[in-house]
Amino acid sequence: DVVLTQTPSTLSATIGQSVSISCRSSQSLLDSAGNTYLYWYLQRPGQSPQLLIYLVSNLGSGVPNRFSGSGSGTDFTLKISGVEAEDLGVYYCMQATHAPLTFGSGTKLEIK
Amino acid sequence: QVKLQQSGAELVKPGASVKLSCKTSGYTFSTSYMSWFKQIPGQSIEWIGMIYAGDGGTGYNQKFKGKATLTVDTSSSTAYMDLSSLTTEDSAVYFCARVAIAASFAYWGQGTLVTVSS
Repeated sequence: DVVLTQTPSTLSATIGQSVSISCRSSQSLLDSAGNTYLYWYLQRPGQSPQLLIYLVSNLGSGVPNRFSGSGSGTDFTLKISGVEAEDLGVYYCMQATHAPLTFGSGTKLEIK
Repeated sequence: QVKLQQSGAELVKPGASVKLSCKTSGYTFSTSYMSWFKQIPGQSIEWIGMIYAGDGGTGYNQKFKGKATLTVDTSSSTAYMDLSSLTTEDSAVYFCARVAIAASFAYWGQGTLVTVSS
């Protein structure tokens, strides 16, 4: 199975600060058709995950544009440009290029 | 709007089985894909498998073959997951999620907590 390694495991930020989360894959996530099935989800405390980013860099519906995704191959990054209080929770990257779908171990964002 | 309403919390004994439901509304269920996930509290998320409501075709994570069985009832727009031979390691929150654009999961149920205990 593809292993997704997220760093850091915990992130503490002040309101307005910009932060980045890294997701590194044990295999390239580029498929033979040229698609990269890498996603980012936020799970707020006590809630279901919500989609932030799909296909590396596409913003999910209704997601604020302070969230952005980048990367290729095996290295991917989620950036939050100006953290807000509602952004606290655990961020997961997920890949769907290789079966089975797998998730990273998560990055917990705390607000100082 | 799209809604996925999951069944309530379950307390089951080791060795028993349980059937979880995910009732949907707000979209055409019969031509959609549904996935199921497992999350032990405080841990990451695991993909269990996926089912196509159009023909009931399924795909499973090898880890959950023999443990989980996915079915659908298109007449009620509901997806089901049977979990069999439960052990304490099956205690977790289980989510259903509809496959949306570019194989993303934009719609999730609220989760069902399954506790396996004697």
